[in-house]
Order: sequence, then C-alpha cells, then structure tokens
Amino acid sequence: GAVVSQHPSWVICKSGTSVKIECRSLDFQATTMFWYRQFPKQSLMLMATSNEGSKATYEQGVEKDKFLINHASLTLSTLTVTSAHPEDSSFYICSVVKGDTEAFFGQGTRLTVV
Amino acid sequence: GEDVEQSLFLSVREGDSSVINCTYTDSSSTYLYWYKQEPGAGLQLLTYIFSNMDMKQDQRLTVLLNKKDKHLSLRIADTQTGDSAIYFCAEGKRRAGNNRKLIWGLGTSLAVNP
Repeated sequence: GAVVSQHPSWVICKSGTSVKIECRSLDFQATTMFWYRQFPKQSLMLMATSNEGSKATYEQGVEKDKFLINHASLTLSTLTVTSAHPEDSSFYICSVVKGDTEAFFGQGTRLTVV
Repeated sequence: GEDVEQSLFLSVREGDSSVINCTYTDSSSTYLYWYKQEPGAGLQLLTYIFSNMDMKQDQRLTVLLNKKDKHLSLRIADTQTGDSAIYFCAEGKRRAGNNRKLIWGLGTSLAVNP
C-alpha cells in the first residue's frame, strides 16, 4: 500500500493567493521529508528538506518566504506556496526516506496558477 | 560536480528487452536508484543497488553497476506496453546532519510498441 499520501492531487488558484500542499507519512514516523518540484519534461529539483520540530533547510535559489514549509509532526509536512504567480505552476512532489535506503514519493500535486 | 546523465528516449518492441543507461559522477554515492514515473503520476521506486554491489535482479528487472566507469543500467526483460513510462536514475548522497540528497537524471522516456 501507499507509504506517502500527498494532497491535493491538483489545484488551480488565482494569482496572489496561497496554496497549501500536505504530505503525510502513512506507515512510519518521518523526521525528515523532502519537497521536490518538477517542470514538464524535466527532472526533479530538490527544493527543501523538511525537519520535524525545526526549520526547513532550503536549497540554493529557493525562496524560503515564498515556499513555507512546516513539519509539525512526525507524519505531516506542509508546503505553502505564498502569493502564487503563474511561474509557480508546476508539479510538486514530497518524499520520505525509510530507514537508510528507500525513498518513497507522494502522488504529486499539480499546481496551476491562473 | 553533481551530475547524473541518461539518454532521453528509448523505443522498443513489446516482448523485447529494454536497457536504460545512466552515468553518474560521484564515486562516494552510497545508493543508486531507479524510479518509474507514469504520465501525470508520482514516482514509483523500482529498485535500488548498494554501491558495493555489481548486480541486482528482481523479477524482470536487472540492475548492473560498473563502479569503475560510474555506469548504471536497468534491463527490463520481456517489455510490456505497461512499462511505457519515464525512468529516472538517481544517486543517493549523505550530507551533514544525516540528511540525504538524491541527485536525479533527466529521465529516459521508454516507448513500447505493440
């Protein structure tokens, strides 16, 4: 069964509004979750590492005030895209790593900003 | 630098074997992964191999690792139309604070023709 649940699967929002994406670890407690962004026909780009109980670690070039990450519990991390613009339209995917080897991914969220 | 390279397209006939190749740059990577992404869907872990292994077989999938050349391949035996998808190669690296980072290739789009 699914290890990671991501919600919503798709969302359309107006420019200037904020959108929250949830990522839940279903089978185990995840102290670390990862958020990726994928543009069409491109690979995944790691945006940030979400750490339970502390601040997220953002990759170079990713605006922390734009992409707010909250990892309030061992099973839930949220990514909020604030003041969304059309260029934020993308496929966002979360991931958790189980043990030391296997990375499991959510179904992804397709965000369209109009 | 961090770089994972894959050919972008592969087309095979149903029933033939598919071989998807990947090269990576960092010999310190601990794990190498193959993920499958179907259209509009999230990523599915297919298999992974430890960096100290040469080969891993899992049903129709065979992973070969040439550490000297930093070359990884995925062979799919008896390829079916349901195998049509994008296949991503990724190398896993440890970072400070016991965090992990996956470096991704651009993905190989596999088309299986009846």
